[in-house]
Amino acid sequence: SAVISQKPSRDICQRGTSLTIQCQVDSQVTMMFWYRQQPGQSLTLIATANQGSEATYESGFVIDKFPISRPNLTFSTLTVSNMSPEDSSIYLCSVVTGNEKLFFGSGTQLSVL
Amino acid sequence: KQEVTQIPAALSVPEGENLVLNCSFTDSAIYNLQWFRQDPGKGLTSLLLIQSSQREQTSGRLNASLDKSSGRSTLYIAASQPGDSATYLCAVTISSNTGKLIFGQGTTLQVKP
Repeated sequence: SAVISQKPSRDICQRGTSLTIQCQVDSQVTMMFWYRQQPGQSLTLIATANQGSEATYESGFVIDKFPISRPNLTFSTLTVSNMSPEDSSIYLCSVVTGNEKLFFGSGTQLSVL
Repeated sequence: KQEVTQIPAALSVPEGENLVLNCSFTDSAIYNLQWFRQDPGKGLTSLLLIQSSQREQTSGRLNASLDKSSGRSTLYIAASQPGDSATYLCAVTISSNTGKLIFGQGTTLQVKP
């Protein structure tokens, strides 16, 4: 298993500003994954964060909007840039363990006014 | 394009009932399938993972089945309890990148005492 600490748990932000979400894992992992859950929708993968290389983004997500850092094997950040109300969502980080199960952080509830 | 659908979207049952949640996927070429539980403010918890070569997995009162050829999975909950109230999500992995999941929209379960 893995214990994931995600901060902040929630935030209310103004249009046009940026928010950085932090994710800390209690063990070293090769890849970390960032998901978004828009209101009433299912989870969608934003990107895969690899230590030592650039993140890999899914279709519809770009680095300028969602820059990701991965400075070491236990930590990653996701920034939501130049926010608009459409960015209001829950953002979750996750990791895969040895038995291929996916573990999630508790999520960041973002509201953009 | 793989799509995952969950029926029903919501379900309310009295305590003690046995119930079945349904999940269907459009492409049978999956790597594995997972069932998650989502509680408000607590992220997601992995309940059961079924590899593509398996037919079912059991954990306590939970049993998940997989019929890859028909593109279906079910989550059976025996003797439901109020503490089972949550949203249940089904997700498939389509490659060995097991952190990249495609989620259904979930079934919100309410178990009434």
